[in-house]
Amino acid sequence: QKEVEQNSGPLSVPEGAIASLNCTYSDRGSQSFFWYRQYSGKSPELIMFIYSNGDKEDGRFTAQLNKASQYVSLLIRDSQPSDSATYLCAVNLSSGNNAGNMLTFGGGTRLMVKP
Amino acid sequence: GAVVSQHPSRVICKSGTSVKIECRSLDFQATTMFWYRQFPKKSLMLMATSNEGSKATYEQGVEKDKFLINHASLTLSTLTVTSAHPEDSSFYICSASTAGETDTQYFGPGTRLTVL
Repeated sequence: QKEVEQNSGPLSVPEGAIASLNCTYSDRGSQSFFWYRQYSGKSPELIMFIYSNGDKEDGRFTAQLNKASQYVSLLIRDSQPSDSATYLCAVNLSSGNNAGNMLTFGGGTRLMVKP
Repeated sequence: GAVVSQHPSRVICKSGTSVKIECRSLDFQATTMFWYRQFPKKSLMLMATSNEGSKATYEQGVEKDKFLINHASLTLSTLTVTSAHPEDSSFYICSASTAGETDTQYFGPGTRLTVL
């Protein structure tokens, strides 16, 4: 089992719809969770992070964390074609071989927003 | 805030030569810097973690004598690909984290290396 798992997609949604991206992780003790967006040929850029159970909203983005079920999701409201990218979930796993601030990345989900 | 730069953005070199890539944190002090590589349509692969003033910690399978990492100051880390071969052609990306947000990583724009 991979430590951080994402559906590779592509996830296709129409413009204006809500895009829902999901991520599961293996280590129940993990504390910090991040979503990055990566456009083709570019490096990842941080969208948001979440530490506590529940929802965290930032503009059109909402991160949802459920530690009991070990999943974190990202909702994008009013999706735009410019949101088309690969979305990376990253977790600071609490396992013993972690340097303390190392992130483990999922494989990413490719999102396509169609006009 | 939290801007990370990389130089060069793109480099083409001949097989057997060495290439140095710089990673700088522009508006913060980076206690830790990370180096990743990414092949087309593949996920990020962590190569090494470096803390200022100490030796880098390399991931399993990454040759430390081939990928030399120096983190001489709190704002600069360098990756040198020695004796480059075509299979080293890849997208190299650095990231940095701060003392205040130790697990948030801010990425540089990446360096695309092509070895002929």
